[in-house]
Amino acid sequence: AQSVSQHNHHVILSEAASLELGCNYSYGGTVNLFWYVQYPGQHLQLLLKYFSGDPLVKGIKGFEAEFIKSKFSFNLRKPSVQWSDTAEYFCAVTTTGGFKTIFGAGTRLFVKA
Amino acid sequence: EAGVTQFPSHSVIEKGQTVTLRCDPISGHDNLYWYRRVMGKEIKFLLHFVKESKQDESGMPNNRFLAERTGGTYSTLKVQPAELEDSGVYFCASSPGQTPNEKLFFGSGTQLSVL
Repeated sequence: AQSVSQHNHHVILSEAASLELGCNYSYGGTVNLFWYVQYPGQHLQLLLKYFSGDPLVKGIKGFEAEFIKSKFSFNLRKPSVQWSDTAEYFCAVTTTGGFKTIFGAGTRLFVKA
Repeated sequence: EAGVTQFPSHSVIEKGQTVTLRCDPISGHDNLYWYRRVMGKEIKFLLHFVKESKQDESGMPNNRFLAERTGGTYSTLKVQPAELEDSGVYFCASSPGQTPNEKLFFGSGTQLSVL
């Protein structure tokens, strides 16, 4: 069965620090990859997605993620975090042609002002 | 444009009672999904509607859970009778058309507590 593993459950950073959140998935075929974010008191929303092409994808608010097929990874990065990035981040995967999205357990990021 | 709305936002019930959760997807979205998150764990897929038809209900935990989407508009998820392990946040999401792998538009969720 497909699964998504997020390495860190909680991350605490100071403003301006760099961020990298790990994500690995288990599926041998072609996948589509997503990062969703849930800000405090808000609904889940899409941060960025990878379907094909350039494995380095850029999303909103300065976030980017790199798909490394050989490592089954799709890590999320941001060079300099802000207090407003405090949120919970979910990595997710669908198989090509599939409608079911499989989510990881989420990583809670707290950014100290 | 109105987003995905869910009712109620919170529900506290006793074990053995019945609860019905409602989801109104974005108007015109054919795909409707239910997901559940038990505290601190992954967001787990429950089922997928295309219009009024159940496309995939492989994630439904057991026959105490019944989902409907009459007329292909709003959906309800009924839990009867509720058990302690049913506690969690129930998310509804929708997406527009027949293209798979689209991004999902989520509601704010219903926090269900079974005591």
